[in-house]
Amino acid sequence: SYVLTQPPSVSVAPGTTARITCGGDNIGSKSVQWYQQRPGQAPVLVIRDDVDRPSGIPERVSGSNSGNTATLSISGVEPGDEADYYCQVWDSSSDHPVFGGGTKLTVL
Amino acid sequence: EVQIVESGGAVVKPGGSLRLSCAASGFIFDDYTMHWVRQFPGKGLEWVSLISWNGDGTRYADSVKGRFTISRDNGKNFVYLQMTGLNTEDTALYYCAKGFSSSIRGSIPHWGQGTLVTVSS
Repeated sequence: SYVLTQPPSVSVAPGTTARITCGGDNIGSKSVQWYQQRPGQAPVLVIRDDVDRPSGIPERVSGSNSGNTATLSISGVEPGDEADYYCQVWDSSSDHPVFGGGTKLTVL
Repeated sequence: EVQIVESGGAVVKPGGSLRLSCAASGFIFDDYTMHWVRQFPGKGLEWVSLISWNGDGTRYADSVKGRFTISRDNGKNFVYLQMTGLNTEDTALYYCAKGFSSSIRGSIPHWGQGTLVTVSS
């Protein structure tokens, strides 16, 4: 089945931009979703269809997708952004969703 | 407001069975695909199963195919996950979640808080 590869961790200083990648074979041809999961909480959708922000998600959260890499970017990082982030796509070969392994964002 | 509440999690012995329930409200239930997603202790998310708006379409992860069965009752706004042949690798927090639309593809915008399944002798 389709494999999504994320770095286990990303660390950034407050106020800077965090970039979390999600790698997959020709992922640019797929629609990518991103979820944020804070400790002890359920996942929250933060980006759908590569670039769209659901209602209530701040503009400093953005997504891009091209070639073999999709990227979630968070500008002006705040302590409250510290969480695990997961990418997700539809795997057409197995005909179901798949998640990446997740990236822990640490705000230094 | 969308509300999703899971129940039925328990401690069960290897080889045992369990049925999880998911009560949904705050939206037109039979307009949406519903999912089960699990999270292993301290680990990432694994999609488990989905069911289409009318129940005619189902999908399963390879890890549960043949052991788990998803179903829904559109009259009661419930989704179920019948789990059989449980093993220790099934120990996880199980989330019920609402899809973006009637299509089985797309994002998963609403999640419950999860119900814990522990498989242990």
